[in-house]
Amino acid sequence: RKEVEQDPGPFNVPEGATVAFNCTYSNSASQSFFWYRQDCRKEPKLLMSVYSSGNEDGRFTAQLNRASQYISLLIRDSKLSDSATYLCVVETGTASKLTFGTGTRLQVTL
Amino acid sequence: DAGVIQSPRHEVTEMGQEVTLRCKPISGHDYLFWYRQTMMRGLELLIYFNNNVPIDDSGMPEDRFSAKMPNASFSTLKIQPSEPRDSAVYFCASSFSGGSPLHFGNGTRLTVT
Repeated sequence: RKEVEQDPGPFNVPEGATVAFNCTYSNSASQSFFWYRQDCRKEPKLLMSVYSSGNEDGRFTAQLNRASQYISLLIRDSKLSDSATYLCVVETGTASKLTFGTGTRLQVTL
Repeated sequence: DAGVIQSPRHEVTEMGQEVTLRCKPISGHDYLFWYRQTMMRGLELLIYFNNNVPIDDSGMPEDRFSAKMPNASFSTLKIQPSEPRDSAVYFCASSFSGGSPLHFGNGTRLTVT
């Protein structure tokens, strides 16, 4: 089993739709979780951290389910500018090793 | 703050040549990471440092790859000799502390012919 797994997509959704991505991880001891966004031919950029109680930032909501070992990202009212690849990141192993999932590609259309 | 600075942005070289990639982390960040990204394998962690000391280099593909961090403001990733399968985008990232978010440089796009 991979340390961090994501559905590669692509997810094609119309503007205004709500879309959700999941990401599973294998190490039950993982403590830090993040969602990153990567645009084509650019570097990954932090979208949001994921906290145990769940957290929201505008149209974006992140959740952590420790029992089932997955994190999720919900995007409401999708915009064309949300089109990108979304990467989940999990601290795996010891001493701050951060492992990326392969990413989920989102395409928002008119 | 200028962010993480990588050089060069692009590198095209012939098989067998030595390649050196450079990174300047954000000032005050104690952790530095080298990742490689390809379409097939996504972002792979190659090695990371804490306070200039290599902590985990298990992702370094083979002996052809080496990384150093001689001081808090500079790191290099060297490939010698380079091979076509090393073609990828190499990202350097830094973070303030263990488990805190990574800040990426713009990456070096390496092509080995």
